[in-house]
Amino acid sequence: DIQMTPSPSSLSASVGDRVTITCRASQDISNSLAWYQLKPGKAPNLLVYEAYRLEVGVPSRFSGSGSGTEFTLTISGLQPEDFATYFCQQYYGTPTFGGGTKVEIK
Amino acid sequence: EVQLVESGGGLIQPGGSLRLSCAASGFSVSSAYISWVRQAPGKGLEWVSVIYSGGDTYYADSVKGRFTLSRDTSKNTLFLQMNNLRAEDTAMYYCARHYSAFLSLYSPFDSWGQGTLVAVSS
Repeated sequence: DIQMTPSPSSLSASVGDRVTITCRASQDISNSLAWYQLKPGKAPNLLVYEAYRLEVGVPSRFSGSGSGTEFTLTISGLQPEDFATYFCQQYYGTPTFGGGTKVEIK
Repeated sequence: EVQLVESGGGLIQPGGSLRLSCAASGFSVSSAYISWVRQAPGKGLEWVSVIYSGGDTYYADSVKGRFTLSRDTSKNTLFLQMNNLRAEDTAMYYCARHYSAFLSLYSPFDSWGQGTLVAVSS
């Protein structure tokens, strides 16, 4: 199975900050990478797929980049509703997920 | 609006059985690829099983032979029959639709349910 390693596992940030989350794949997955937002008691929400394509309805402050083994999710101008856990998923092979990055209020 | 609603979770003893349901609305389950994904406490997400639009099913090695995925197209609902449950099956179970434009196991998930909690403990 392809292993996905997030970095960091958690971070503290303030409203308005620029936040960068990274996911590293154990092998080349081209651009077969998605990012999700997860809040307690809610359904996970697809933010980005194909490493950089923004899902319909997702605010433009979210962006994704990378290919191969290194991928990044950037939130430009953190909003109060963005405090959540973010996780990546590769779909180059049978889907596997990173452990998640929890974004907390500083 | 696409919606997935899971139900059927609960507390069950090791070796027991449980059947989870995933009721879909806003689309037909017979035209989609839908997976079950679980998250054990304090751990990452794990893909469990998928049913293709044509009805084929596939399973993770960790549940193969114990879990069975099926669907009732008249009710637009999926069922995950879980037998011989183990403590390590304790998790929040989500059903999730594979991105409709891909129609493949190898795709992101464009819609998820809120999950149903399964706890296996004596």
